[in-house]
Amino acid sequence: AQKVTQAQTEISVVEKEDVTLDCVYETRDTTYYLFWYKQPPSGELVFLIRRNSFDEQNEISGRYSWNFQKSTSSFNFTITASQVVDSAVYFCALSKDQAGTALIFGKGTTLSVSS
Amino acid sequence: EAQVTQNPRYLITVTGKKLTVTCSQNMNHEYMSWYRQDPGLGLRQIYYSMNVEVTDKGDVPEGYKVSRKEKRNFPLILESPSPNQTSLYFCASSLSDTRDNEQFFGPGTRLTVL
Repeated sequence: AQKVTQAQTEISVVEKEDVTLDCVYETRDTTYYLFWYKQPPSGELVFLIRRNSFDEQNEISGRYSWNFQKSTSSFNFTITASQVVDSAVYFCALSKDQAGTALIFGKGTTLSVSS
Repeated sequence: EAQVTQNPRYLITVTGKKLTVTCSQNMNHEYMSWYRQDPGLGLRQIYYSMNVEVTDKGDVPEGYKVSRKEKRNFPLILESPSPNQTSLYFCASSLSDTRDNEQFFGPGTRLTVL
């Protein structure tokens, strides 16, 4: 069975701190895709990144970076120099296909960044 | 503008009163699905559709129906809503199995069943 675990329910940091959101997944598939979504207080879901199981290269996009390690079944997300606008719920998700159909979501991590 | 729209955005209703939440996309996507989001549970898939007239159950289909008569529309039907269906609902769509494609989510519908 597929499963995504986000052990951190809530994280609070002060602006400019770095923060890492953990994501551990379980799957028996050899091909799979991992996603991160952001849900700001306004409620919409914002796609952040997709990574396939054959690409373990770390990804950096501005202040955001992702570390994918198949050996530990983890796909962690780091925000560098956090800002108040980063306050949101972040979801890690797993899918069998690259379009992200039938996503299996983790329970989410609520990040609060204070000024 | 490419988008997924849902209506209504907010709905308060009473137990047993049939309701429909509409979902429409303008991107000619084959794949559409419905998720519900509950505190502490994340998002869970209710139903999905691979194309017109093709629908299947997700992880939590009980109490819901869907239809896909047109490619752009995928309504979620609650024949007899109950309080445990109080939730935030998201519709999503995507091209099926296309490289570098992402799933587009609607803005969400917050449903309260009294």
